Amino acid sequence: EIVLTQSPGTLSLSPGERATLSCRASQGVSRSKLAWYQQKPGQAHRLLIYGASSRAIGIPDRFSGSGSGTDFTLTISRLEPEDFAVYYCQQYSSSPLTFGGGTKVEIK
Amino acid sequence: QVQLVQSGAEVKKPESSVKVSCKTSGGSFSNYVISWVRQAPGQGLEWVGGIVPIFDVTNYAQQFQGRVSITADKSTSTAYMELSSLRSEDTAVYYCARGLDPQTIFGPMGYWGQGTLVTVSS
Repeated sequence: EIVLTQSPGTLSLSPGERATLSCRASQGVSRSKLAWYQQKPGQAHRLLIYGASSRAIGIPDRFSGSGSGTDFTLTISRLEPEDFAVYYCQQYSSSPLTFGGGTKVEIK
Repeated sequence: QVQLVQSGAEVKKPESSVKVSCKTSGGSFSNYVISWVRQAPGQGLEWVGGIVPIFDVTNYAQQFQGRVSITADKSTSTAYMELSSLRSEDTAVYYCARGLDPQTIFGPMGYWGQGTLVTVSS
């Protein structure tokens, strides 16, 4: 099983600042089969990034993903008020599919 | 657009079973995996398993093997997750999600349901 470790657990930032979220895998994620999701209270989860760096339909270009192998990053270039949420990474290269523990981005 | 609507909250006794439904609309149902993911109170996301309806192929997380059954009714575009021998640790919100890539269980989850709270309590 591929274990995903996200850091930091909580990120306290102000609107307009840059957010950098990390996701580290216990073993290589083949063909960069890694996704990022956003979770907000009362809303359905939203797919942001798949294939480590491809933005899903309708996702603003302030969201970007990078990385390969065991180290992946989600960057939000300039935080908007609606971006304060919890973010999860997920690998889909092997069974069982696994998620990271999440990073909460909160308003400072 | 693709929408997934789940059945309502359930309260169950230990050792009983629960069956949660997920009705999809918009887009193809049979060609895309329906995955089930759960989230215990205050915890992260945990994959339960998935089904690709066109092949009727399922894949389950090992910790649920023998206790979970995921099925799909192509005539109503509805997927089901049944979990048996419930224990208190199964208390969680259960989400269904439709895959982004056709005909594979192993892919990103492009569309999510609103979640169904299952509470296991005596």
